[in-house]
This record gives sequence, C-alpha cells and structure tokens, in this order.
Amino acid sequence: EAGVTQFPSHSVIEKGQTVTLRCDPISGHDNLYWYRRVMGKEIKFLLHFVKESKQDESGMPNNRFLAERTGGTYSTLKVQPAELEDSGVYFCASSQVRGYNSPLHFGNGTRLTVT
Amino acid sequence: TQLLEQSPQFLSIQEGENLTVYCNSSSVFSSLQWYRQEPGEGPVLLVTVVTGGEVKKLKRLTFQFGDARKDSSLHITAAQPGDTGLYLCAGRIRGGSQGNLIFGKGTKLSVKP
Repeated sequence: EAGVTQFPSHSVIEKGQTVTLRCDPISGHDNLYWYRRVMGKEIKFLLHFVKESKQDESGMPNNRFLAERTGGTYSTLKVQPAELEDSGVYFCASSQVRGYNSPLHFGNGTRLTVT
Repeated sequence: TQLLEQSPQFLSIQEGENLTVYCNSSSVFSSLQWYRQEPGEGPVLLVTVVTGGEVKKLKRLTFQFGDARKDSSLHITAAQPGDTGLYLCAGRIRGGSQGNLIFGKGTKLSVKP
C-alpha cells in the first residue's frame, strides 16, 4: 500500500506570506494527525482528525494555523501569515483505528523555512 | 517543560558494542512507542509497549516498559552500522487525548564499522 505522502517536501517563504501544506493519508485511514518539529525541540502534536472532523486541536499554536480535511480524505495545513518561529518540519501521520495502541504511519514531512 | 526526557542525546559507538537508550517521565503513560527515523524521512514505528514491566524483543533490540509505566528503555545488542539513525520514544499520557503523542527529543545513534 502507498504510504502517507506530503507535499511539498520543502518550502521556503518570506515572513508574512502564506503557505499550504498537503497530506494524503494511507487509503482507508480515518485518523489523520499533524505534528511539527521545531529545530532543537521535540516533535509536537498539532491536531487530530477523525474523518473530516477535528477530534483534538489542542496543539495548534495560534489562529494563524488552519487545518482542513474536506471529505475526510486528504488534509491541508495553512499558515497565514507565516512568522519566523513557524520554521520547522511538519509531519503528517495516519492510523486505521483509534485507541491508545494504534500505530501511526508518518509521512516524510514538509520542511518549512520562513525567512 | 519536557514530559519525556530521552538520554543520551547523542551516542557514537563501534560495531559490536551494546547500548541502552533511556526514556523517563514523571507522568504515567497508557502506552509507549519507540520509533526510528532516517534523515529526510518520517519516524517509523518499531514497537509499542502497554503493560508495566513488559519486555519486547525485535531481533537484537530489546524494549522494556517500566513497572510504573513512567519510563522505558531500548537496548541494542551487538550494534551494526545499519542501526545508525535517530531513535525516538513517544507515549500517550494516561487519560490524555488519543491523538496527542508525546515525543522525546530523540537519541542520535552512530555505529562505526
């Protein structure tokens, strides 16, 4: 099966611009997650979708970040306007089942650089 | 405040040596996972431990979950250059959100031939 795919793999934008990241989960996976790793820090949770609904968005840093998953398939994460501290690697992951033991399948990430 | 303290941060050893990576917290976890990440790729799940005191083996890798479910360790026997990579522990806090996986900062392992 195809894995989780993320686009673009890299993005360099200027402060104040807008960037949209895309994630295609593994087919049939209802659960989709966004995580972020800022340089020097650990990977941190941003939010969790179950199908098209936001199950938990407690990790979203502020209202400059908007995540959507229309139709319950792919998801987008938009940052508008981008700030320098938004630089980092954004990971998307998906899982087939819910539950505390469910394995997460991660994409290769999008490396965002805000200059 | 970091919930999962992972140590050591860096480890450089010779092929054939043994090593242990530790993951510690003051919080209780309902489950804990270990991932391995290669440069330019996402983390790949190695194992999930859920029961206090549980030990799981994956070839030369041995994973242990602490009795109180606050800590875990990864032991590699006779390390090989192919074991080189970033090892991450991650857990779900008991009573916390199912999607909110807490990660350690990772241990960057380098095994020299």
